[in-house]
Amino acid sequence: DSGVTQTPKHLITATGQRVTLRCSPRSGDLSVYWYQQSLDQGLQFLIQYYNGEERAKGNILERFSAQQFPDLHSELNLSSLELGDSALYFCASSVAFTGTDYGYTFGSGTRLTVV
Amino acid sequence: GQQLNQSPQSMFIQEGEDVSMNCTSSSIFNTWLWYKQDPGEGPVLLIALYKAGELTSNGRLTAQFGITRKDSFLNISASIPSDVGIYFCAGDGQNFVFGPGTRLSVLP
Repeated sequence: DSGVTQTPKHLITATGQRVTLRCSPRSGDLSVYWYQQSLDQGLQFLIQYYNGEERAKGNILERFSAQQFPDLHSELNLSSLELGDSALYFCASSVAFTGTDYGYTFGSGTRLTVV
Repeated sequence: GQQLNQSPQSMFIQEGEDVSMNCTSSSIFNTWLWYKQDPGEGPVLLIALYKAGELTSNGRLTAQFGITRKDSFLNISASIPSDVGIYFCAGDGQNFVFGPGTRLSVLP
């Protein structure tokens, strides 16, 4: 158990729908990062939050949004889902703003299947 | 933007063999990380490197931070079946940039 909790573990939904993925960071970590991993692909950075504020954006579609709440858990919202959005979505957390000193600790992911 | 290249893309080896893989970038990085991802799981940090030329070991794993700060190497000695997985390198930019991974398969 890495200490980063992601729910749900699996999600199957139809095109056009909206889903919410949830992440609880490791205790004491202030930064939360979201990554997308498509089949046999690397990790694509989506977005980072630090202590409730958005700090960095990567290749995140406009149909996707995220937020980090006062208790530091984060949610990734995916709307108007398309077949190509099927992927593993990982959340990672770190103590520091940049994650440089300690790297990231990843959760076990949410597997999203859009049918 | 910053990009990392990993080679080989995939490799099949016999149990007991040593493995070498590398990660290169056109940009200089100050930190290199190596992660392993088991099927259906999130990546797990194996080794972190913070200084050019640094050589760090973690059990049968050894990684080196290249002198040019544009590359890093990971070696696995005496591979075992549980070494199967995808190995990612990551270098620090504004956020960590991940390479595309090296997929390792170990044949008994």
